[in-house]
Amino acid sequence: DAGVIQSPRHEVTEMGQEVTLRCKPISGHDYLFWYRQTMMRGLELLIYFNNNVPIDDSGMPEDRFSAKMPNASFSTLKIQPSEPRDSAVYFCASTGGRNTIYFGEGSWLTVV
Amino acid sequence: GQQVMQIPQYQHVQEGEDFTTYCNSSTTLSNIQWYKQRPGGHPVFLIQLVKSGEVKKQKRLTFQFGEAKKNSSLHITATQTTDVGTYFCAGELNSGYALNFGKGTSLLVTP
Repeated sequence: DAGVIQSPRHEVTEMGQEVTLRCKPISGHDYLFWYRQTMMRGLELLIYFNNNVPIDDSGMPEDRFSAKMPNASFSTLKIQPSEPRDSAVYFCASTGGRNTIYFGEGSWLTVV
Repeated sequence: GQQVMQIPQYQHVQEGEDFTTYCNSSTTLSNIQWYKQRPGGHPVFLIQLVKSGEVKKQKRLTFQFGEAKKNSSLHITATQTTDVGTYFCAGELNSGYALNFGKGTSLLVTP
């Protein structure tokens, strides 16, 4: 039974480059979340979707960040242009209701 | 906005000692969840508490939800090195179903 799948697992990119993180939620889950984790700020909710529709994007830090969910099995988080302060672990998570949230293994992003 | 605060930030214990982490919310929570994240890993669900005053146990772990549903605690009896990791509590945001995580308590257990 596949869990939440994220790619890439690790990415190192230069400042100014575009970064695209990808997520495949668990089949049948209708909620998808993007979290960012840093030592300073902990786990921050960036945006979440319900049935592919963005519900709350108030956590998206700037206009450089955008997220899409074109269908129930795929979502992207894009950073353009990237900056060193965007370096973090980005987690995608999904759930089928008011229950357990399942996290992917994360995308470790380093912007130099 | 609603915040979930956790203390302590770090705890270092000797194997066999007990450990407790506390979680407090500025508003009443409909439920609270606890997660564990191993170093280099991702958060993994441990438990959900829903009822006022609820207590649940998982082997050496005891979870409590306060009467006012604004606080919670996780207690580990006789810690083991396998308990190492960061423990997060999380409460639902008011705007809908999404979790607001505390900053976690990082537990280090030395043999």
